[in-house]
Amino acid sequence: DSGVTQTPKHLITATGQRVTLRCSPRSGDLSVYWYQQSLDQGLQFLIQYYNGEERAKGNILERFSAQQFPDLHSELNLSSLELGDSALYFCASSAVLAGSNNEQFFGPGTRLTVL
Amino acid sequence: QKEVEQDPGPLSVPEGAIVSLNCTYSNSAFQYFMWYRQYSRKGPELLMYTYSSGNKEDGRFTAQVDKSSKYISLFIRDSQPSDSATYLCAMGAGNMLTFGGGTRLMVKP
Repeated sequence: DSGVTQTPKHLITATGQRVTLRCSPRSGDLSVYWYQQSLDQGLQFLIQYYNGEERAKGNILERFSAQQFPDLHSELNLSSLELGDSALYFCASSAVLAGSNNEQFFGPGTRLTVL
Repeated sequence: QKEVEQDPGPLSVPEGAIVSLNCTYSNSAFQYFMWYRQYSRKGPELLMYTYSSGNKEDGRFTAQVDKSSKYISLFIRDSQPSDSATYLCAMGAGNMLTFGGGTRLMVKP
């Protein structure tokens, strides 16, 4: 158990809908990362938050957004969902913003299915 | 060309074999290197972390980094069926990690 929790485990929804994925980092970790993993794209970095502030953006679509709250949990919002958004979404946390101690610990993931 | 290249496998070995998993990379800015193990439909689990060239050992696992060749390896000694999983290499610069596509390993009893 990495100490990172994610809810829900599974989510099934329809095209055009909006969903929210939730992540709680390991105790003491200030950085939260979101990743998308699909069969054909591998593990793709979406966005990073550190202590409530957005710090890095990867291949995140404009339909997707995230935030980190004062208690450090984070939410990833996916809107106007398309079939191609079906994937595993992982949250990871680390103790630091960047640098040589940036070990990232992953949660169990949320499996999103868009029908 | 991808920044990080990793043979997808599958790699099939008998129980007890020594396994060698490898990644090559093109970005010389990468400063730290990790190996993750991912069981089917589970979250990646951090196995090894290193930020210097050379070897790092942890139990049956040895991570090797050669920055001059832009090449990293993970060796698994005395492989077990429970090691059957997908192994992902990851490389970092600053606050960003770039992952390889993963190598699927199957250890047969």
